[in-house]
Amino acid sequence: DGGITQSPKYLFRKEGQNVTLSCEQNLNHDAMYWYRQDPGQGLRLIYYSQIVNDFQKGDIAEGYSVSREKKESFPLTVTSAQKNPTAFYLCASSRGGATYNEQFFGPGTRLTVL
Amino acid sequence: AQKVTQAQTEISVVEKEDVTLDCVYETRDTTYYLFWYKQPPSGELVFLIRRNSFDEQNEISGRYSWNFQKSTSSFNFTITASQVVDSAVYFCALSEPTGSARQLTFGSGTQLTVLP
Repeated sequence: DGGITQSPKYLFRKEGQNVTLSCEQNLNHDAMYWYRQDPGQGLRLIYYSQIVNDFQKGDIAEGYSVSREKKESFPLTVTSAQKNPTAFYLCASSRGGATYNEQFFGPGTRLTVL
Repeated sequence: AQKVTQAQTEISVVEKEDVTLDCVYETRDTTYYLFWYKQPPSGELVFLIRRNSFDEQNEISGRYSWNFQKSTSSFNFTITASQVVDSAVYFCALSEPTGSARQLTFGSGTQLTVLP
């Protein structure tokens, strides 16, 4: 079955630590995205990538970093510079970067900073 | 800048009632796309529909229907004969084809609870 997997489902981090969230897709999609969701709010774009070895900042990229070394994978690192990292993180992919393409989402990772 | 407003934060209905979720958007572009997504308690967003700005025809898919009105910048979603399984957060989203993949703006979502 094609889809997007995110791991882990729940993640706990101590303040000052970097942590990496995994996102893998087997849909053969070119574009991948990372969103952050806070309670009672919509999704906000952190980073996106339209092609391997290329990625762009979204609206709230500060304190986050990404890489896109393989088409299937788009890991997100939450660094210690992110002031308020506790949130629900969603990874998505789409066939291409054109904005009419619907995005398909993974199950999410809930990050809690202790 | 584009904006999506879902004024209804929470809605509760009893099973079998019809319910309409409102979505109002703002954009300066003449070409854009509108989406609805469903987020069940599991957290994963599920794509429901995409509509482009040139197609104002209403769409029906089973118990779901969508009413797109450019004159009022609205893209409302109606569930007929609601069921408990419809309980979820529903997001409306807007994208503009401004040459960048980044411009997908989500509303804040409407939490729908369908009571048995």
